[in-house]
Order: sequence, then structure tokens, then C-alpha cells
Amino acid sequence: KAGVTQTPRYLIKTRGQQVTLSCSPISGHRSVSWYQQTPGQGLQFLFEYFSETQRNKGNFPGRFSGRQFSNSRSEMNVSTLELGDSALYLCASSLDPTQETQYFGPGTRLLVL
Amino acid sequence: AQKVTQAQTEISVVEKEDVTLDCVYETRDTTYYLFWYKQPPSGELVFLIRRNSFDEQNEISGRYSWNFQKSTSSFNFTITASQVVDSAVYFCALSEPLKAAGNKLTFGGGTRVLVKP
Repeated sequence: KAGVTQTPRYLIKTRGQQVTLSCSPISGHRSVSWYQQTPGQGLQFLFEYFSETQRNKGNFPGRFSGRQFSNSRSEMNVSTLELGDSALYLCASSLDPTQETQYFGPGTRLLVL
Repeated sequence: AQKVTQAQTEISVVEKEDVTLDCVYETRDTTYYLFWYKQPPSGELVFLIRRNSFDEQNEISGRYSWNFQKSTSSFNFTITASQVVDSAVYFCALSEPLKAAGNKLTFGGGTRVLVKP
């Protein structure tokens, strides 16, 4: 069974731009979560989607948003990029949002210049 | 608020030595899951183990073993006879309470393990 896939793997943007990251969960998994990993703040939860609905949201500004499609694929968007948004963005999928094990993708490494 | 602390930031060992990673967590809830993940240089978080708060039985799986003690809120992880391929950052994580909706994980800061040949 294929794992979680994320595209693109690497991205370079400039301040003020916006970016969209994509995540395809493991087949059959309906819950998708996003995490941001930075050297200073570590791994932080961004949000979680299940059945096209945001179930949970972390403590991030409104510039960070996401959505989930009917096939469980998810996208996250960051608008008006700031230097501090440079990070590894990890997507994880699980069968459903009841503390099931989350399986992570390889991440998208975003660099904001 | 939930919190996970991994006091060791980096551990360096020589191949075949044992490595124990400490994890201490804080939660007001009685039902939850604990996890260990491994992050090799490639960046992907690899799931290693999940334990629920009701199951304090320690487990051994190959060269890995886990010691869960609810009384001290600790969930330690040991690699026996370490190998160079074990070099990675290891994260301990705590789930939301089982009664909560949602699947958010709270991670510790990670422990970097360097196994030298």
C-alpha cells in the first residue's frame, strides 16, 4: 500500500507570496493532519480534516488555511508568506480522527526568502 | 494543557551500545495514547509504537523496547545493540484524550541519536 505522498517536496518563495501544498493520504485513510516543523518551535500541529471538515486547529494565524476534498486529499495554503514560515510541512493520515495512529509523509520543505 | 518533555537533546554512542531515550509527559486526562516516531535525515516521521494509557505492559520488539510508567508519567524507549542506521531524531508524542474529537499530537522536542561505527 502506498504511503502518504506530498507535493512538492521542495519550494522556494519570496516574502508576500502565497503557497499551496498538497497531500494524498494512504488509501482508505479519511483523516489528514498537518504539522509545521521548525528548529525553534519544533513540531507543531496546524490543523486536521475529516470528511472535508476542519475538526481541529492549532494556534496559527489565519494566513494558514487548508481544505480536504471528497477523495480525502488535502491541501494547505499559506498566504502573505513571512520569513518565519520557512519550515518542513508534514502531512499525516489516519483511518479516522479518534486517536488512531498517524502516518506521515516525507514533507514539503519551504524556504521563504 | 498537554506537554511532552524530552530532556536529552542529543545522545552519541558507539555502535552496539544500548541507548535509552527519556520522555516525560503532562496531561490532566486519564485516557490517551503515547507514541514514538523516528525521523531520519530524509525528514519523514516513521511510526515506531503506540501505547494506550491503560496498558502499562512493557514491550520488546526486536532491538527496541519500551518502558511505560503511568505513575511517573514516563514513556522511555531503548535501542539495544545500536547500529549506524539507528542514527536519527526520535520524537515522543501524546495524543488528545480518547474522549476528545480530533487527532492532534503534541510532540516533545526530540532527541538526536548519533551512532558512530
